[in-house]
Amino acid sequence: QKEVEQNSGPLSVPEGAIASLNCTYSDRGSQSFFWYRQYSGKSPELIMFIYSNGDKEDGRFTAQLNKASQYVSLLIRDSQPSDSATYLCAVIPYGGATNKLIFGTGTLLAVQP
Amino acid sequence: DTEVTQTPKHLVMGMTNKKSLKCEQHMGHRAMYWYKQKAKKPPELMFVYSYEKLSINESVPSRFSPECPNSSLLNLHLHALQPEDSALYLCASSQGPGPGAGEQYFGPGTRLTVT
Repeated sequence: QKEVEQNSGPLSVPEGAIASLNCTYSDRGSQSFFWYRQYSGKSPELIMFIYSNGDKEDGRFTAQLNKASQYVSLLIRDSQPSDSATYLCAVIPYGGATNKLIFGTGTLLAVQP
Repeated sequence: DTEVTQTPKHLVMGMTNKKSLKCEQHMGHRAMYWYKQKAKKPPELMFVYSYEKLSINESVPSRFSPECPNSSLLNLHLHALQPEDSALYLCASSQGPGPGAGEQYFGPGTRLTVT
């Protein structure tokens, strides 16, 4: 079982819709969860982080964490073509005993105009 | 200033060459990272420096040699690389180790081609 799993996509949504990106992780001791966006040919950019169960909102982005189900998601409201990118879910496992960030394989999001 | 800079942007080297990649940040961050990224794959951690000391080496071949001269600078020395080492090399920094270590700022990367 991979430590962090994501559907590779592509996830295609129409402009203005809500894009829902999902991620599961295997280590129950994980404390810190991150979403990075990576445009083609560019480096990853941190867009959201969440440390507690529940929802965290920042503009059009909402991160949701359910530690009991070992599940973290990212919702993008009012999706724009400029949101088209690969979204990487990342986790710091092992109770934060190490600063090793484990990435999922990423989900490619395509927002159709 | 939330910028991590990397030089060079592109590098082509032969298998017998020695070259270095450089990374710099002025955010006062105390953890710095080297990642390797192949096309359509996530970044793969290579090394972590915390407070200028090497804290993680992900069993990287010795032809890659990291160096942290001070808290703002990180180098990656390359020697006798193989064509399969061609990739995007990313530097990142975070405030420190611990749970917030995942809040990383990435540089633009160095695109390395080994011929």
